[in-house]
Amino acid sequence: TQLLEQSPQFLSIQEGENLTVYCNSSSVFSSLQWYRQEPGEGPVLLVTVVTGGEVKKLKRLTFQFGDARKDSSLHITAAQPGDTGLYLCAGGASANNDMRFGAGTRLTVKP
Amino acid sequence: GAVVSQHPSWVICKSGTSVKIECRSLDFQATTMFWYRQFPKQSLMLMATSNEGSKATYEQGVEKDKFLINHASLTLSTLTVTSAHPEDSSFYICSPLPSRGHHYGYTFGSGTRLTVV
Repeated sequence: TQLLEQSPQFLSIQEGENLTVYCNSSSVFSSLQWYRQEPGEGPVLLVTVVTGGEVKKLKRLTFQFGDARKDSSLHITAAQPGDTGLYLCAGGASANNDMRFGAGTRLTVKP
Repeated sequence: GAVVSQHPSWVICKSGTSVKIECRSLDFQATTMFWYRQFPKQSLMLMATSNEGSKATYEQGVEKDKFLINHASLTLSTLTVTSAHPEDSSFYICSPLPSRGHHYGYTFGSGTRLTVV
């Protein structure tokens, strides 16, 4: 079972639409991170959120950390084909500092 | 973030043979390296954690005798898939523990796509 539940698993939208991806857990995380992964490559860090209630913006991407630090969301405004990829949330699971990943959301933005 | 070099990018091997994957941290000393495996259309699953100078710790269900990890130096960790089988075909990715702590995000190698035929 995944420590982090991501939804939706798959999302196919038209260019210009908005979307939100959710990452939920029953555990509290000291920090939570979002990555994007393209086929055949390793994940690339988009953002780290640390404080409960924190909101971070990265151009058209808005990340929010839940007040209780158990969940997070990623909102993309006016999606573009270049946003296509696998979006992964990840949180620290133990004192070992290893990261546990959600199942991922595979986003396809059609032109 | 850290600069991580993973090699090879892809490899095809015959069943029963062994394959070594190297992961180097180029700009800092990585005392800990995480190894992940990713099957098609799935997320990353942690396989093992290697620590420089000591034995690696493996996640439940991962055979330590099959996936040999060596972390002999602070800049190099290797994963050897021994007696490979087609079910070992996967995308293997390494990631060093950031020197400033996990709050600052992880950098990943570019991955190794292993195909066992």
